[in-house]
Amino acid sequence: GAVVSQHPSWVICKSGTSVKIECRSLDFQATTMFWYRQFPKQSLMLMATSNEGSKATYEQGVEKDKFLINHASLTLSTLTVTSAHPEDSSFYICSAPQRDSNEKLFFGSGTQLSVL
Amino acid sequence: QKEVEQNSGPLSVPEGAIASLNCTYSDRGSQSFFWYRQYSGKSPELIMSIYSNGDKEDGRFTAQLNKASQYVSLLIRDSQPSDSATYLCAVNIRGSSASKIIFGSGTRLSIRP
Repeated sequence: GAVVSQHPSWVICKSGTSVKIECRSLDFQATTMFWYRQFPKQSLMLMATSNEGSKATYEQGVEKDKFLINHASLTLSTLTVTSAHPEDSSFYICSAPQRDSNEKLFFGSGTQLSVL
Repeated sequence: QKEVEQNSGPLSVPEGAIASLNCTYSDRGSQSFFWYRQYSGKSPELIMSIYSNGDKEDGRFTAQLNKASQYVSLLIRDSQPSDSATYLCAVNIRGSSASKIIFGSGTRLSIRP
């Protein structure tokens, strides 16, 4: 299956700093990538859909100025958590669908963010 | 009403028995349905996808879909301790501009030896 690489795997930062998470499709091109957030013992909540070459589509309740998404190429999408606060501590997971459809998501390994 | 609903469990099943996981969804227009398995601290991995009414079998796993009832299920035969995980039902939901995959809250499955 397709491979999606996500970095870093975990990050600890101080409150008020910004953290960038990268998501790369290694062996296929992804015009769309999905960013999910998962709190402990809860399900994946879709935050936004990143679209190569255009603005991301954010889900209701997700602050686009706080969670900056950039999808500058067909293989790379980044999520930047700006001015992170302890309540932003969560597991962030990116995913990319099979080419030309929103089917069968391939997931990155996830990033555990802890904000002190 | 949540878009995708699952019983959170935990569901405890003895080793060797059949585990049955259920999921309902709200969007009648949904055409694609998935079951993912997630171990603690890891990303989800796809187990099954199903698009047509009826059953689809893959090894010990059988997915069942009933679009009229808006119901999807996953059966795991000959349950093994390694099957202990959280199982996420996912549905392709039509958005205003594009479709997206929405997950249920997951069912925690525990296989007891």
